[in-house]
Amino acid sequence: NAGVTQTPKFQVLKTGQSMTLQCAQDMNHNSMYWYRQDPGMGLRLIYYSASEGTTDKGEVPNGYNVSRLNKREFSLRLESAAPSQTSVYFCASSEIFRGETQYFGPGTRLLVL
Amino acid sequence: GQSLEQPSEVTAVEGAIVQINCTYQTSGFYGLSWYQQHDGGAPTFLSYNALDGLEETGRFSSFLSRSDSYGYLLLQELQMKDSASYFCAVDYGQNFVFGPGTRLSVLP
Repeated sequence: NAGVTQTPKFQVLKTGQSMTLQCAQDMNHNSMYWYRQDPGMGLRLIYYSASEGTTDKGEVPNGYNVSRLNKREFSLRLESAAPSQTSVYFCASSEIFRGETQYFGPGTRLLVL
Repeated sequence: GQSLEQPSEVTAVEGAIVQINCTYQTSGFYGLSWYQQHDGGAPTFLSYNALDGLEETGRFSSFLSRSDSYGYLLLQELQMKDSASYFCAVDYGQNFVFGPGTRLSVLP
């Protein structure tokens, strides 16, 4: 039981490049989330998927797209990376939407040059 | 707005009790959660309050007062391993808003 896994752990991109961050959970959770965390700050919600087949924007969705591939997997895509997207990205899941407990993955550290 | 406020840093000694406050500026939310994050690690869930009052989970307790727009996390019998950042988070239904975090340093 790995919980929430994320790949890659680290990534360096040049401005304008694209990439997809992968997230998978093995807890049979219905809801999944993508957050970003900038140095010394709290987490900000980018997108969420309340249940399989649905996705919605969070607080800071600009520059990102998501895909809920199946119940287990939720990916985050940067189409044209910008230095402002340098951050640590966390994926999380919860049994139900608005479930009080969110389980977080280990994070992806992204640097955009 | 949907902003949360927390003290940026708190320092306490091993064995002591510390309270970390969280104030918010809007009503109409489902619950207040608390998460712990060690440096370089992922946030881990500590406690949740859907209703006003105190919730106790081992050495950690959390309190919510909707009428005062205020909550807190209470850590008892502090241990060195409790040195970490602590975040409150509010579920507004279609958005989860995290506070800026409080860095707790536990001294021997």
